[in-house]
Amino acid sequence: AQSVTQPDIHITVSEGASLELRCNYSYGATPYLFWYVQSPGQGLQLLLKYFSGDTLVQGIKGFEAEFKRSQSSFNLRKPSVHWSDAAEYFCAVGFILTGGGNKLTFGTGTQLKVEL
Amino acid sequence: SAVISQKPSRDICQRGTSLTIQCQVDSQVTMMFWYRQQPGQSLTLIATANQGSEATYESGFVIDKFPISRPNLTFSTLTVSNMSPEDSSIYLCSVVAGAYEQYFGPGTRLTVT
Repeated sequence: AQSVTQPDIHITVSEGASLELRCNYSYGATPYLFWYVQSPGQGLQLLLKYFSGDTLVQGIKGFEAEFKRSQSSFNLRKPSVHWSDAAEYFCAVGFILTGGGNKLTFGTGTQLKVEL
Repeated sequence: SAVISQKPSRDICQRGTSLTIQCQVDSQVTMMFWYRQQPGQSLTLIATANQGSEATYESGFVIDKFPISRPNLTFSTLTVSNMSPEDSSIYLCSVVAGAYEQYFGPGTRLTVT
């Protein structure tokens, strides 16, 4: 069965500092990988995705993530964090369903706090 | 992408009652999903709802407790039946659009007293 591990429950960074959120997955085939962000009281917003091809993917809001098959990782990065980035971040792995669509398994999330 | 709305946005319900949550999408989609997010937890898939067929439930979730309807390609409902305080959660619907991208509604925050 597929699984996702986000080792860091909470992370605090200073505004302007760089950020890396870790994500490790377990999946028998080539995974479809996603990062979502959930701001307080909001639904989930898709930041970026990896399906195939270039292992460094760019997303919205200046985020990027790198797929490393040898490490089973898909870490999220941002070079300079803004106070508005404070939120909870979820990594997810998906597999394709017969008939289309995909089924997601989420990690436990990383709560990001940004200090001004 | 897809724009998804949910009703109600939040509710406080008494133990033993039922609540039906509505999910509306701005475009026709084949698959819709219902998730539960318990306080301080991650998202857990409840069921997958295809139009014209019975919903497929994940382990630990049963139709009697979480009946789902999918009358057309833009709408679905999830009912939380015979509620207990343990059902207090955020319930989210999602759809697949584009290349296997799932988009989520804003969620329904349910508190059971």
